[in-house]
Amino acid sequence: DIQLTQSPSFLSASVGDRVTITCRASQGISSYLAWYQQKPGKAPKLLIFAASTLQSGVPSRFSGSGSGTEFTLTVSSLQPEDSATYFCQQLNDYPRTFGQGTKVEI
Amino acid sequence: QVHVVESGGGVVQPGGSLRLSCAASEFIFRNYAMQWVRQPPGKGLEWVAVISSDGNSKHYGDSVKGRVTISRDNSKNTIYLQLNSLRPEDTAVYYCAREVPWGDYWGQGALVTVSS
Repeated sequence: DIQLTQSPSFLSASVGDRVTITCRASQGISSYLAWYQQKPGKAPKLLIFAASTLQSGVPSRFSGSGSGTEFTLTVSSLQPEDSATYFCQQLNDYPRTFGQGTKVEI
Repeated sequence: QVHVVESGGGVVQPGGSLRLSCAASEFIFRNYAMQWVRQPPGKGLEWVAVISSDGNSKHYGDSVKGRVTISRDNSKNTIYLQLNSLRPEDTAVYYCAREVPWGDYWGQGALVTVSS
């Protein structure tokens, strides 16, 4: 199975900060990676698919990059509503797998 | 607007069984694969299973393989997850989502608690 390792596990930042979360895959997955945002008690929300494509309706301060084994999710200017846990998911092979999550505190 | 709604969660004893349902609307259901993802309390997301649009192809996560069966009824716009031989570690919120292959639309989740 493909393992995904996110870093950091926890991140504390201020409004307006630029933050970056990394997701590393145990083997190459091309650009088959998605990023989700999850707030407490809510379902995950798709932010980015195909490593760098912004889902419709998602603010442009979110961006994704990378291919192969290393990927990043960047928030260019953190807003209070971005306080959440962020997960990456590989879509290259079954079983699909998720990273362990990064909790972002503002 | 796409709508996905899970049902069938509840409390079940270890070793018991439960069937979850997921009803979808506002898209051409028979054209899309569907998946289940679960989340134990306070923990991360774990992918459970996927079923192809025609129901002929299914894949399962390692921790549930052999105990779980995914199925669908395209005439009812519904998928199912049959959970057998349940263990306390299966306690989780179970989410249903459309697979494209990323999960673009998710339900609100159904809580399954395995406890005596």
